[in-house]
Amino acid sequence: DTAVSQTPKYLVTQMGNDKSIKCEQNLGHDTMYWYKQDSKKFLKIMFSYNNKELIINETVPNRFSPKSPDKAHLNLHINSLELGDSAVYFCASSQGLTPGDEQFFGPGTRLTVL
Amino acid sequence: AQSVTQPDIHITVSEGASLELRCNYSYGATPYLFWYVQSPGQGLQLLLKYFSGDTLVQGIKGFEAEFKRSQSSFNLRKPSVHWSDAAEYFCAVGPLGKTSYDKVIFGPGTSLSVIP
Repeated sequence: DTAVSQTPKYLVTQMGNDKSIKCEQNLGHDTMYWYKQDSKKFLKIMFSYNNKELIINETVPNRFSPKSPDKAHLNLHINSLELGDSAVYFCASSQGLTPGDEQFFGPGTRLTVL
Repeated sequence: AQSVTQPDIHITVSEGASLELRCNYSYGATPYLFWYVQSPGQGLQLLLKYFSGDTLVQGIKGFEAEFKRSQSSFNLRKPSVHWSDAAEYFCAVGPLGKTSYDKVIFGPGTSLSVIP
């Protein structure tokens, strides 16, 4: 069983479209994250949720809106996609609240905006 | 502000050779320190972490890392590299004793190639 899963794995779309990426974890963890990895492999946190509550909200355009329907799911919706949004988006989860907790990553969603 | 540097963007080693990947951090106190590995097309996986105690930390897949406070370093080592170790390696830091309101910062990564 996959611990942290993301769908879709690949997403190719036109500028201006709206798209969503879904994430699910079956580890029973309380905290989930979204990261963006750019073309240079630089990994930066976007959001984190703990028990469906938004904890970290980095300087991310308002076009990005996370939603956590329950603590096992954290989805990312992106409005009005731009070329610069092209990246690999990783979902992750951890058991607790502290930065010392191991994070378990999903396989990533490669988003390409044309 | 906390930061992480990995001076080597890309390293190539021969299979069976030893490996050391460098990591330096900037932080006011000893933070949590991590090494993660990202295999091609995969998510990141934790190799090891340090927050206190013995400064030599053992991890999975035969990796170890040594924390040196005086040098603000947390270098990753492996005595004998296998072809399957070819991957991207990320050093990361997080504030010790804090809550999830404080985030983990990842370094820029070191890409490891292994020559058969």
